[in-house]
Amino acid sequence: DTGVSQNPRHKITKRGQNVTFRCDPISEHNRLYWYRQTLGQGPEFLTYFQNEAQLEKSRLLSDRFSAERPKGSFSTLEIQRTEQGDSAMYLCASSPLGAAPDHNEQFFGPGTRLTVL
Amino acid sequence: AQTVTQSQPEMSVQEAETVTLSCTYDTSESDYYLFWYKQPPSRQMILVIRQEAYKQQNATENRFSVNFQKAAKSFSLKISDSQLGDAAMYFCAYREKGNTPLVFGKGTRLSVIA
Repeated sequence: DTGVSQNPRHKITKRGQNVTFRCDPISEHNRLYWYRQTLGQGPEFLTYFQNEAQLEKSRLLSDRFSAERPKGSFSTLEIQRTEQGDSAMYLCASSPLGAAPDHNEQFFGPGTRLTVL
Repeated sequence: AQTVTQSQPEMSVQEAETVTLSCTYDTSESDYYLFWYKQPPSRQMILVIRQEAYKQQNATENRFSVNFQKAAKSFSLKISDSQLGDAAMYFCAYREKGNTPLVFGKGTRLSVIA
């Protein structure tokens, strides 16, 4: 399978605990995006990387959230001191870098569903 | 900031019939991209169709086509010959040039009735 993969698929945690999610993009995709999707809503942008550089962070990304892409391949998203409001689906997407029209598509992973009790 | 509005939270269509999902957006840019994504229940999001704003011709992908009205900032999706497998959440999304992040609408849940 050469698509975007995310682990774990489901995570249940207690309020106050730290959690970390992993995203493996499609090989050779330079750009990697994190989105959050709450029930009944569309995905909302959190942050994105070009290779290992974090280019933009949304105001949704509070100080409790941190994302890394140390070698320009996989990425991790960590949430510290989780709150019930963090319960959501966390989606990862990747895309190649280029000007060609087919380089504009973002390929999504299956997501990690977080439940904070 | 750019916004995307989908005014139909839910739609239903009879199998083999045609349905149109609405989307409007707001931007001050002249060149951008618009997308429709499909998210089946418990499955990952996939791209249905894309439209480049500088192209006047409406995009078509098999049974899926769009009606892109740039001046009105409207981007509707038409699904012809609806199939049971078309049942899903459909999200309209906008993006500026340059592989920037997507801005999504809230989605329309489409049900297909056999």
